[in-house]
Order: sequence, then structure tokens, then C-alpha cells
Amino acid sequence: DGGITQSPKYLFRKEGQNVTLSCEQNLNHDAMYWYRQDPGQGLRLIYYSQIVNDFQKGDIAEGYSVSREKKESFPLTVTSAQKNPTAFYLCASSKQDGKGLGSPLHFGNGTRLTVT
Amino acid sequence: RKEVEQDPGPFNVPEGATVAFNCTYSNSASQSFFWYRQDCRKEPKLLMSVYSSGNEDGRFTAQLNRASQYISLLIRDSKLSDSATYLCVVNIGSGGYNKLIFGAGTRLAVHP
Repeated sequence: DGGITQSPKYLFRKEGQNVTLSCEQNLNHDAMYWYRQDPGQGLRLIYYSQIVNDFQKGDIAEGYSVSREKKESFPLTVTSAQKNPTAFYLCASSKQDGKGLGSPLHFGNGTRLTVT
Repeated sequence: RKEVEQDPGPFNVPEGATVAFNCTYSNSASQSFFWYRQDCRKEPKLLMSVYSSGNEDGRFTAQLNRASQYISLLIRDSKLSDSATYLCVVNIGSGGYNKLIFGAGTRLAVHP
């Protein structure tokens, strides 16, 4: 079955350490996204990529970095510059809709990061 | 004004009730809309896509009012398993590229 895999499910790090969250999809989707969710809040876009070797900052990109070397993979690095990194991180992918209507996102099951 | 606004709830309803959630959006150029369901500590799952005036899937009906810039979700004959947070999502991208803005969600609790 096709889908999006995020790993690990839970991640614990000490303050000051960089950490990389994995996201792999086998849906053959061109676009991939990283969102962050904090308790009681909506999802906020960190970075997105519409095509391999290209990505754009979302609304809260400071303190994060990404790469898109392969269509299937879009890892997110949470750097020590991110002031409040403890959150639920969600990776998603979608088709590119040539009709201009927009396509729904398919989500991975998330990584819960705790930084102490 | 937030780009997507939802009543946070919670909506507490008995089984069998009909419940409706509203969502307002600020970008009049938005072309597509989605409702997602999110269970506690899980990822959002697509419930319904809305590209024209509305959509219906079983007990769930979504209606879009472009003039007033709101989209609603109606759930009929509520089940205990409908208890979740419902996220309204508006696509403000163009040219086939997505830029999805999520509302903070409306929490529904269905009780026996």
C-alpha cells in the first residue's frame, strides 16, 4: 500500500542539538510539506517543496532546514536556532493538480519531538 | 483577521443529533476547500474535498458560500465514533500549486 512514513514516532533531544526528522512517500507525489502543530492550535507550514531540488519557506521556517534530493524523501532538520522546538511535526504530500483546483494533502503519522 | 477561522467548540451532542460547524476564510480567490478529521494525538485524515458549491458523503455534507466566504460541515445522525477535531482547510495557492491554510479546528464530543 502507498503512503507516507515518518520516523521516529517519538524523539527526545537535549537543547542545543540539531535533530533530523525523516519523511518518505511512495505515492509518486511531486509536492511535499512539513507542518508543525502545537496543542490547541492549527497546523502551521514550515517548508514545502513542489519539485525535486526545490523548496520554499512556509510561515515559520526560522530555525528549520530541509532538502529534497529525491522525489520520495523530504527530511526536516530542527536546528538549535529554533527557540521552541517541542511540538508535533507532520509531513504531507500531494499531487500537483494541473487544473488549478488544488489537491488534498496526505499525511504521515507524525513525529512528536520533545526538547529538554 | 485570521485567514481561516473556526469556532473551537467543544460541541457536546448526544448520539443521533445533527451538528453543523462553520468556517470563514479571508482570501476571496480561494479555489478549493477541505475538511479533515483529527483524532487526539494522531495525524489529520481527509474527510471531504469541496471544489464547487458543496459535497455530500453519507452522513456528511459540506456547503460552500463564496459570496459570504464561509464553508460549513453538517454531520447527521452523530455516532460516538464521530468524536474528534474537525479541521477546515482553505487552498490559497494558484496555478495548480497548493498552499493550504488550516483552521485551528472545532472539537466535537458525541455522548451516549
